[in-house]
Amino acid sequence: GDSVTQMEGPVTLSEEAFLTINCTYTATGYPSLFWYVQYPGEGLQLLLKATKADDKGSNKGFEATYRKETTSFHLEKGSVQVSDSAVYFCALSDRSGYSTLTFGKGTMLLVSP
Amino acid sequence: DVKVTQSSRYLVKRTGEKVFLECVQDMDHENMFWYRQDPGLGLRLIYFSYDVKMKEKGDIPEGYSVSREKKERFSLILESASTNQTSMYLCASSFPGDSNQPQHFGDGTRLSIL
Repeated sequence: GDSVTQMEGPVTLSEEAFLTINCTYTATGYPSLFWYVQYPGEGLQLLLKATKADDKGSNKGFEATYRKETTSFHLEKGSVQVSDSAVYFCALSDRSGYSTLTFGKGTMLLVSP
Repeated sequence: DVKVTQSSRYLVKRTGEKVFLECVQDMDHENMFWYRQDPGLGLRLIYFSYDVKMKEKGDIPEGYSVSREKKERFSLILESASTNQTSMYLCASSFPGDSNQPQHFGDGTRLSIL
């Protein structure tokens, strides 16, 4: 079945550092790919998405590119802020028609001033 | 903005009780989902529904059931709560069909079974 693998956290960075969170997937066909973010005490929010190979999703300074050849969707940000501290989930959506999501286990990011 | 509302943020129940978790969305979404979130395991799909009175099992349906009598409301039922069902429960909704449609999440219910 489908699966998503994320790098384990926590990832600890200083403010203004460069961020990469790795995500690779296994799926039949061509899924859509998502990054969700969960701030403390809240539900998940969509951060960005990409629906086909070579698409780049971007939002709030975060970017991720759908790489079919490496089955990856790594999240990057050039300069993190303390307010970016959260748990980040990579997910894929199959094309079964129900839009169900398969999530990675999440990566906690901690940014210090 | 889409609003997905879960009825309780925190809930404490006893082993063997029947527990209801309620979720309401205001965007006329056809699809609704229930997940549980556990440390180190991420989110796992329990059940989903793609229409009123329709339901499909997710990855971990054992010990749970669901009810969808109205389009905007999706209930998760723990028939006889057990301690291993202590978890964070998240409800989500989305438009149907197109896998490009993102899911919109509620803030979660942290359920403790004593």
